[in-house]
Amino acid sequence: SQTIHQWPATLVQPVGSPLSLECTVEGTSNPNLYWYRQAAGRGLQLLFYSVGIGQISSEVPQNLSASRPQDRQFILSSKKLLLSDSGFYLCAWMPSGRTGELFFGEGSRLTVL
Amino acid sequence: ILNVEQSPQSLHVQEGDSTNFTCSFPSSNFYALHWYRWETAKSPEALFVMTLNGDEKKKGRISATLNTKEGYSYLYIKGSQPEDSATYLCAFKALMDSSYKLIFGSGTRLLVRP
Repeated sequence: SQTIHQWPATLVQPVGSPLSLECTVEGTSNPNLYWYRQAAGRGLQLLFYSVGIGQISSEVPQNLSASRPQDRQFILSSKKLLLSDSGFYLCAWMPSGRTGELFFGEGSRLTVL
Repeated sequence: ILNVEQSPQSLHVQEGDSTNFTCSFPSSNFYALHWYRWETAKSPEALFVMTLNGDEKKKGRISATLNTKEGYSYLYIKGSQPEDSATYLCAFKALMDSSYKLIFGSGTRLLVRP
């Protein structure tokens, strides 16, 4: 069966420090991968999605970047964190096909101080 | 810009009450409509995936309908229980630029009082 894991679960970082959140999927190949963020009091905002290795689409201009160095690995990064980067980050994957649903990782709570 | 609207933003009901939420989405580029339940301290989990106009799905006391022509979906909960307390998210799946985007609404937060 397919599983998805992301880490770390919680992170407290000072402003200006770098960030790396990692997500891996097992049990499937060539998944569509997504990074979402929930800012306080808001819904899920799509940050990045990827349909294959090295293929990244960004949804909103921001201080973050994403990379997909391997088929089942998706990384969210920042060189210098801002206070506004605080939030709850979710990685997700979706199988191809019209009826595919999103499967989410456990989430990473980032607090930038 | 794809915009998905959900209402109400939050809802407090008594155990046993029936309730419903609305999700509005664009009528163009439609591929599918998803509903997710997001309980506190957990990850969102899919309830329904609907693709055809007029679709109706049911899972226990929860059901959903879909109208793609007018761009809305309803989620119904019959006889709410405290364990139904969660945030309910709808998401619009569009096929754009040869890839699938799933755009979420801001959710309806349901609290069921015993």
